[in-house]
Amino acid sequence: GAVVSQHPSWVICKSGTSVKIECRSLDFQATTMFWYRQFPKQSLMLMATSNEGSKATYEQGVEKDKFLINHASLTLSTLTVTSAHPEDSSFYICSAVSGTGDTEAFFGQGTRLTVV
Amino acid sequence: DAKTTQPPSMDCAEGRAANLPCNHSTISGNEYVYWYRQIHSQGPQYIIHGLKNNETNEMASLIITEDRKSSTLILPHATLRDTAVYYCIVRVNTNAGKSTFGDGTTLTVKP
Repeated sequence: GAVVSQHPSWVICKSGTSVKIECRSLDFQATTMFWYRQFPKQSLMLMATSNEGSKATYEQGVEKDKFLINHASLTLSTLTVTSAHPEDSSFYICSAVSGTGDTEAFFGQGTRLTVV
Repeated sequence: DAKTTQPPSMDCAEGRAANLPCNHSTISGNEYVYWYRQIHSQGPQYIIHGLKNNETNEMASLIITEDRKSSTLILPHATLRDTAVYYCIVRVNTNAGKSTFGDGTTLTVKP
């Protein structure tokens, strides 16, 4: 299957700082990427849909000004957690679908964010 | 996406078949059954999917009942590396990225 890579795999940051997470599709072009969040012992929750060249679509309850998403190319989407707080500590996962028929999604390995 | 029901946990002996059930009684005619798994601290991994016929690939087999209201994922020879949370998702086969993940089944393969 296709490969989606996230960077970094883990990050620790101080409260009040911002953290950027990258999601790259390595061997295919992804017109749409998705960002999920997973708290300990919970399931994945969709945060937003990232569309190449346009604004992201956020799920209800997700603050768009806090979780900035940029999808500037067909292989890269970034999620920036702004003014991070300890409650933002979570496992962030992206997925991508190919441009030709979005019948299958490929997931990145996830990014563990810890805010201290 | 149709709602699915899975047992919260299951154990399986190494080398034996692991049979993971999923109920999806409200599945629509155009919805597929997808299975993913998530090994600890990793992203979900696609396993298999099907519409109404049984499916098999190098990882697993998927058995869907004739009324499509339930299915079973079969790992024929479970190994310790198959210990993971297994998610059964029912959705149309487009808009793949917006999958709704339930709580899944935690499968523990024991030596």
